[in-house]
Amino acid sequence: GAGVSQSPRYKVAKRGQDVALRCDPISGHVSLFWYQQALGQGPEFLTYFQNEAQLDKSGLPSDRFFAERPEGSVSTLKIQRTQQEDSAVYLCATSTGPEQFFGPGTRLTVL
Amino acid sequence: EDQVTQSPEALRLQEGESSSLNCSYTVSGLRGLFWYRQDPGKGPEFLFTLYSAGEEKEKERLKATLTKKESFLHITAPKPEDSATYLCAVQPWVDSNYQLIWGAGTKLIIKP
Repeated sequence: GAGVSQSPRYKVAKRGQDVALRCDPISGHVSLFWYQQALGQGPEFLTYFQNEAQLDKSGLPSDRFFAERPEGSVSTLKIQRTQQEDSAVYLCATSTGPEQFFGPGTRLTVL
Repeated sequence: EDQVTQSPEALRLQEGESSSLNCSYTVSGLRGLFWYRQDPGKGPEFLFTLYSAGEEKEKERLKATLTKKESFLHITAPKPEDSATYLCAVQPWVDSNYQLIWGAGTKLIIKP
């Protein structure tokens, strides 16, 4: 596709539910990043993939967060046993060089 | 600790009133400094990359400049469609990792 796509765009979960957020990168983009953005704040780094290898997961806030990119293309961010503090916009970005290109994000609301 | 601070938090201008947004940073080694624009409900949209002090980049009514401690985004004769949140990010020199460290953004409102 022409740009990074993310689905779903909006997700409402009850506290304790598991959720899965999907990112479809720009074709050929080797690097893929996940960020978390709270209202009125800049994005915060969660994790980074180069092809299928997860090279950095230092930003994942807890072991309830898990990301994968098994074939080096589509990536999924999974959050287990969601908590209210997980409510945020989750952004995916991909790149082939220094500049990162972002999808529209998934807004997660945990009730 | 690598850190990015943007000011002001919000800026209201009349159409045609030029101004500047500031991005101050501390980083152990700078690979690049990036400016993005973010509209409500959308992901950040790439504007500029700056790599070394003294560098300048321009695009339409926007010009970005870089020193060793800060970057400015100058907006000349803005129009209402320039209203958005402008985000600054730095990319530190870390082997095999290209993560960005972000400021909180400046919300720019241009009144017609």
